[in-house]
Amino acid sequence: DIVMTQSPDSLTVSLGERATINCKSSQNVLFSSNNKNYLSWYQHKPGQPPKLLISWASTRESGVPDRFSGSGSGTDFTLTISSLQTEDVAVYYCQEYLFSWTFGQGTKVEVK
Amino acid sequence: QITLKESGPTLVKPTQSLTLTCTFSGFSLTTSGVGVAWVRQPPGKALEWLALIFWNDDIRYSPSLKTRLTITKDTSKNQVVLTMTNMDPVDTGTYYCAHLTGTYPFDIWGHGTMVTVSS
Repeated sequence: DIVMTQSPDSLTVSLGERATINCKSSQNVLFSSNNKNYLSWYQHKPGQPPKLLISWASTRESGVPDRFSGSGSGTDFTLTISSLQTEDVAVYYCQEYLFSWTFGQGTKVEVK
Repeated sequence: QITLKESGPTLVKPTQSLTLTCTFSGFSLTTSGVGVAWVRQPPGKALEWLALIFWNDDIRYSPSLKTRLTITKDTSKNQVVLTMTNMDPVDTGTYYCAHLTGTYPFDIWGHGTMVTVSS
C-alpha cells in the first residue's frame, strides 16, 4: 500500500513569512503516459470541510490565492505559502490519487 | 452549483452497522467520469479515504477497511450510501462525502456528519 508522509507535523510561522510543507510518497505518483503527478493539497480548518487547493502537484484551484504554490515530481512534493496570513491557519494534507486516494498525516500550521 | 450533504445516526453501539447517506445536487452520477467518495476523520487525527463509487459502478475501497464497507448509489434519488459493519469506538469521527470527476482529487465536499460509537 502507498504511504504518504508529510513533514513537519506542525509548523509555527510569523505573519508574512514563508511556510513550507513537504510530502513524500512511497511510490512514484508521476504517470508516465501523460507526464502528470497525481498529487493534491488540501486545507482543512476546524468545523469546515477540507478545501482542495492544488491538483496535479502544482495547479491552483480557481480562487486560491497565489501565495499558495505546489512543486515537486515523482515522490517528493512541497506546498509553499509565500507570505502567511492569519486565515491560513489550518491543517494541510497531501493526497495521491493515482493509486488509492491516500492522504498524508497532515501538517498543522500556526501563527507565531 | 454542486452540493453534498451527509446524513445518518449520530450514535452507534459497538458491533452495530453504520449506514450513512450522501445526498447531492448539481451533478448526476450517470454522467461519464463522475464519482462520489467517502472520507472520515477521527477526532484529532488525519483524513482517511474510505470508499468511492463512479458513474459506471466502478467501486474502490480502502484496503484496510475493505471487508467492512459497502458503497452503493441510487441515481434516481441522487444519493450514495455507505455501510460500515462491526463498528468500534475507534470508528468515531466525522464522515464526509465528496465529489470527484475521473482521475481527479475530491473537489467539492459535504460539511460532514459526526458519528460516535459508544455503548
